[in-house]
Amino acid sequence: AQSVTQPDIHITVSEGASLELRCNYSYGATPYLFWYVQSPGQGLQLLLKYFSGDTLVQGIKGFEAEFKRSQSSFNLRKPSVHWSDAAEYFCAVGPTSGTYKYIFGTGTRLKVLA
Amino acid sequence: GAGVSQSPSNKVTEKGKDVELRCDPISGHTALYWYRQSLGQGLEFLIYFQGNSAPDKSGLPSDRFSAERTGGSVSTLTIQRTQQEDSAVYLCASSLAGSSGELFFGEGSRLTVL
Repeated sequence: AQSVTQPDIHITVSEGASLELRCNYSYGATPYLFWYVQSPGQGLQLLLKYFSGDTLVQGIKGFEAEFKRSQSSFNLRKPSVHWSDAAEYFCAVGPTSGTYKYIFGTGTRLKVLA
Repeated sequence: GAGVSQSPSNKVTEKGKDVELRCDPISGHTALYWYRQSLGQGLEFLIYFQGNSAPDKSGLPSDRFSAERTGGSVSTLTIQRTQQEDSAVYLCASSLAGSSGELFFGEGSRLTVL
């Protein structure tokens, strides 16, 4: 069965520091991969997505992610974090084979120290 | 409206009561999803509608949960005989059919069962 693992429940970084959020997936074929961000009291907003081609994808708000097939990973990165990046981040895979179901990880909550 | 609209934004109910949660997707989006977000649990898939096809109900946790989509647009998620474990944020999302692309999320309906 398809699954998505985000091993870090909470991450705290200082403003201006670099950030990497981890995501591992289990899927038989080449997946479609996504990162979403959820600010407090808000719905989820798409940061970036990977379908095929260049394994380094750029997204909004200065985020990027790299697809590594050999590691079944799709980690999210940002070179310099801003206080406004404090939010919860979700990795997702989908739609999965034979259905249109998107599978989400449990999320990583990011705290940014001033 | 331009985005996915959900109502009510907050609902407090007593154990054993029935509740209805409404989702109005983006105009033209034929795919509609319901997810449940519980603290520390990530997003749990509940149900998926695609056009006139039979919905994928594989994520509904019990027969107390049901959903319908009228006229290929508005959807209602109904929870009968609510239990305290039903307390969560219920998120609705829509997308263009077959796009394998972005899900557009509403801000959610927060349900509290006392």
